[in-house]
Amino acid sequence: GQNIDQPTEMTATEGAIVQINCTYQTSGFNGLFWYQQHAGEAPTFLSYNVLDGLEEKGRFSSFLSRSKGYSYLLLKELQMKDSASYLCAVINSNYQLIWGAGTKLIIKP
Amino acid sequence: TAGITQAPTSQILAAGRSMTLRCTQDMRHNAMYWYRQDLGLGLRLIHYSNTAGTTGKGEVPDGYSVSRANTDDFPLTLASAVPSQTSVYFCASSPVAGAEDEQFFGPGTRLTVL
Repeated sequence: GQNIDQPTEMTATEGAIVQINCTYQTSGFNGLFWYQQHAGEAPTFLSYNVLDGLEEKGRFSSFLSRSKGYSYLLLKELQMKDSASYLCAVINSNYQLIWGAGTKLIIKP
Repeated sequence: TAGITQAPTSQILAAGRSMTLRCTQDMRHNAMYWYRQDLGLGLRLIHYSNTAGTTGKGEVPDGYSVSRANTDDFPLTLASAVPSQTSVYFCASSPVAGAEDEQFFGPGTRLTVL
């Protein structure tokens, strides 16, 4: 089967750094997305990784290791508005997008 | 720019009734998608359309049908609703067909089937 694993929930403090992990077992790999979803709202695109390494975009960075089937999303200088769910999604060899259940991030002052 | 809109925002539906969820985008995107999102599960693809005039089945198509008469509209129909179709439904679009493309999501329709 195909599986995307993310922690269900994480808690962090405003101003701190948090790393949200995603491990995947899929039939092939053609890229990985991270999306942000605030409660009651639509998912919005954060990042796309297809090659190994770190992609930095402002306060957010995304890392990929294809050999380990692993990615993480790093959020720096956390703000209260970063409280949301973060969805990991992998493109498999059939170019299907497989979604994880998401990690709910709670930011405390 | 409106982007992608969905209607209704929410609906309570009696089991056995039919309903059409509407989705319209003004970005001239070729590809459109319908997902359902349930607690504890990832987004699951119901149906998709790579371009106007074509549609395809996703992971969970049973009980749903779609049409793509033009580029902008992609309605989802439940012919005879059942309680297991209670979910939040998201419509999405991308400029071209292909999973590597960023998808833009509508605000969602919250459907309750009783």
